[in-house]
Amino acid sequence: ELKVEQNPLFLSMQEGKNYTIYCNYSTTSDRLYWYRQDPGKSLESLFVLLSNGAVKQEGRLMASLDTKARLSTLHITAAVHDLSATYFCAVDPYRGQGAQKLVFGQGTRLTINP
Amino acid sequence: NAGVTQTPKFRILKIGQSMTLQCTQDMNHNYMYWYRQDPGMGLKLIYYSVGAGITDKGEVPNGYNVSRSTTEDFPLRLELAAPSQTSVYFCASSYSKADGYTFGSGTRLTVV
Repeated sequence: ELKVEQNPLFLSMQEGKNYTIYCNYSTTSDRLYWYRQDPGKSLESLFVLLSNGAVKQEGRLMASLDTKARLSTLHITAAVHDLSATYFCAVDPYRGQGAQKLVFGQGTRLTINP
Repeated sequence: NAGVTQTPKFRILKIGQSMTLQCTQDMNHNYMYWYRQDPGMGLKLIYYSVGAGITDKGEVPNGYNVSRSTTEDFPLRLELAAPSQTSVYFCASSYSKADGYTFGSGTRLTVV
């Protein structure tokens, strides 16, 4: 059974600082997805990582994937308050095409203080 | 484009009642999914569909049923509601594995 673990689960940081959220998974996969959820809202797709070494950047967020280590990171640069949200990673454990039966991590609740 | 539309947004059910959560997408996606999110937790897959007429179980299908008569609609049926089904339900769709999901706004269900 695939397990997806994020750490930390809670993160409080100051504006302007850098930090990294880690996503470890237990079985082989080369497809990993990052989502953002604001309180009481739905989830928004942030990044799709489809191969070993993939790196994607959008604004102050950068995501990377190391399939050999079964690890993805979400790096936040010079955090701003608007990035406060819960961030989920999700792994697709099935090779080939077809439906994405994603397994989600528990989420990292990020709070950025002025 | 409306994207993925879920109704209702909130519902309170009594134990033993039944209801259908509606989900419609207008993006012509073949793949559709139902997830539940319990407080402070990640999402768990209930059912999914790869196209009209084809559905399959996910990780936590017990107590639920689905149908997919058209590409656009993927309703989730709860029979004999139980307190353990209190959760937020999200419908999602996708075009391919190269894309992330597009999620609906969610249905917050309380069973009392």
